[in-house]
Amino acid sequence: NFMLTQPHSVSESPGKTVTISCTRSSGTIASNYVHWYQQRPDSAPTTVIYDDVQRVSGVPGRFSGSIDSSSNSASLTISGLKTEDEADYYCQSFDGTSWVFGGGTKLTVL
Amino acid sequence: EVQLVQSGAEVKKPGESLKISCKGSGYRFTTYWIGWVRQMPGKGLEWMGMIYPGDSETRYSPSFQGQVTISADKSIATAYLQWDSLRPSDIAVYYCARVMVTAANWFDSWGQGTLVTVSS
Repeated sequence: NFMLTQPHSVSESPGKTVTISCTRSSGTIASNYVHWYQQRPDSAPTTVIYDDVQRVSGVPGRFSGSIDSSSNSASLTISGLKTEDEADYYCQSFDGTSWVFGGGTKLTVL
Repeated sequence: EVQLVQSGAEVKKPGESLKISCKGSGYRFTTYWIGWVRQMPGKGLEWMGMIYPGDSETRYSPSFQGQVTISADKSIATAYLQWDSLRPSDIAVYYCARVMVTAANWFDSWGQGTLVTVSS
């Protein structure tokens, strides 16, 4: 089993770029794909990135995913920030028997 | 269009039983796994388990095994999450979500969520 650790919160100004990390506690990040979900306030989650780097149809190109073996982490990068991007973001992977979610990162765009 | 429509909010007393539902439409219900996810107040997402409606194969998170039962009725394209005896700690929003299989498994469509409140 492993855990996925995300920063509790990040904030950035409109038009800027922000990166949200998701660090795997044991095992290698490349061993299992990572997916990213966006949850706006009082709404159900939606998927933004799957299989580490694939963008879901309809998700703006401003959203991108990556993995970094050196830090054993996955990242979600949002460029050209808009106020509508303000939401909680969750990473998710699979540990062989269970789906694992990160604790979530609250993105504030101010 | 893929849609998952969940049953409405519930208010129950401790010890009562409950079964909430998730109806799928816009796709072949029997050929996609449906998962359930818990979100406690102010907290993150937790995977509870999932079911393959085609043959009702189920898989549970160790954290929820024995605490809930996941089932499905493929004749009406509906998945269920049920409790035999609710506790105040079951207060949460419960989401169902369809599992998409690409290089890995992930949730591609989500229900709107069902709020479960347990209070005496």
